[in-house]
Amino acid sequence: EIQLVESGGGLVQPGGSLRLSCADSGFTFSSYEMNWVRQAPGKGLEWISYISTSGSTIYYADSVKGRFTISRDNAKKSLYLQMNSLRAEDTAVYYCARFNAWNWFWFDPRGQGTLVTVSS
Amino acid sequence: EIVLTQSPATLSLSPGERATLSCRASQSVGTYLAWYQQKPGQAPRLLIYDASNGATGIPARFSGSGSGTDFTLTISSLEPDDFAVYYCQQRGNWPLTFGGGTKVEIK
Repeated sequence: EIQLVESGGGLVQPGGSLRLSCADSGFTFSSYEMNWVRQAPGKGLEWISYISTSGSTIYYADSVKGRFTISRDNAKKSLYLQMNSLRAEDTAVYYCARFNAWNWFWFDPRGQGTLVTVSS
Repeated sequence: EIVLTQSPATLSLSPGERATLSCRASQSVGTYLAWYQQKPGQAPRLLIYDASNGATGIPARFSGSGSGTDFTLTISSLEPDDFAVYYCQQRGNWPLTFGGGTKVEIK
């Protein structure tokens, strides 16, 4: 069973917006600190944002600061990434990832991420 | 920002051989370093955390060492399933960063 399911990706023009979602089918979403990590086609991994369990602490990579907003709804067991002012270099597969018990990334092994393509 | 430099970029080896992958940090991260394995079309999988601790379910042929700025991932005897890309990642400081990856390919 897939526990973390990303959605919301697609083709968008430069300057456009998208909202990604990550739904957690488990029972303890509210206990996990969450992150978004992306991977451009054929490239390496890039961490882009973190949110604490309550949402009170948030961090961003410089590459997305001021353009992307992370949020969560613990009642809906969901994580979000609002992406504005999209650029070609934002084209990537976007993964959501928990921090595990030792504060390292846990990616759902069956997760596929969601592909965002920024192109005119 | 802490930059992680992985070497070599590509490692060509045969099954049964030993693989040694390096990750160097631009400043000390203590032991706040992890290694992930990623296969094509799949999400990354945590192998080693806190520089030398094996994650749950990871075979003993995977081991990690190092501290400060220099880290090593060793695969003692490559299995066919081990040919993949390996990334190091630090959490010593925000922003969290990954290395560029080492591809372990079949020779």
